[in-house]
Amino acid sequence: EVQLLESGGGLVQAGGSLRLSCTAPGFTLSTYAMGWVRQAPGKGLEWVSVISASGGHTFYADSVRGRFTISRDDYTNTLYLQMNSLRAEDTAVHYCAKLTRQWLVDHWGQGTPVTVSS
Amino acid sequence: QSALTQPASVSGSPGQSITISCTGTSSDVGGYKYVSWYQQHPGKAPKVMIYEVSNRPSGVSDRFSGSKSGNTASLTISGLQAEDEADYYCISYTSTTSQPGLFGTGTKVTVL
Repeated sequence: EVQLLESGGGLVQAGGSLRLSCTAPGFTLSTYAMGWVRQAPGKGLEWVSVISASGGHTFYADSVRGRFTISRDDYTNTLYLQMNSLRAEDTAVHYCAKLTRQWLVDHWGQGTPVTVSS
Repeated sequence: QSALTQPASVSGSPGQSITISCTGTSSDVGGYKYVSWYQQHPGKAPKVMIYEVSNRPSGVSDRFSGSKSGNTASLTISGLQAEDEADYYCISYTSTTSQPGLFGTGTKVTVL
């Protein structure tokens, strides 16, 4: 069974930073493209960032490019999302996601909430 | 890129069938067999209900079915039950280079 376990969310002031982590007991993250999807309160699903299986290709939403960085530690089998210069509009539940070859989500984590106070 | 278009809400009585549409273009929904559907209950993570237009993952009720015609994909829920009340999102592969799948705008299903 695929499990994705996020951590690192919390309350932070505008302009601050957070690092989200996602571990995957039972499978090797580097075998698949992985990503982060967020959902603001009462809103729909929004891509934040994606990293390819090889690690050579990344995607960032326009709203986070230059502020967020996705990375992966293959030794600890952990996916990260470093979030800097946080804004109130970054307030959302952030989900770790395992992707298919077509970059669609086929497994979701339980989500970790990020709240940015202004 | 723009999101795929879904109706904001769909409702039905227990036992009825409802259909949720997901409209895109020939560069996404219409051009490929890669459309998935997710169910999301309040406060919970999304769950895959359909993948590759019409395939159900193990454990998903056969009351859920998917199809596609032209640039529109559809999710049909047959024999509607109270537990089906949730938000539903579609997603489609897109031909745009290095772009992840396009999400739909989401549909709130209400069981009357």
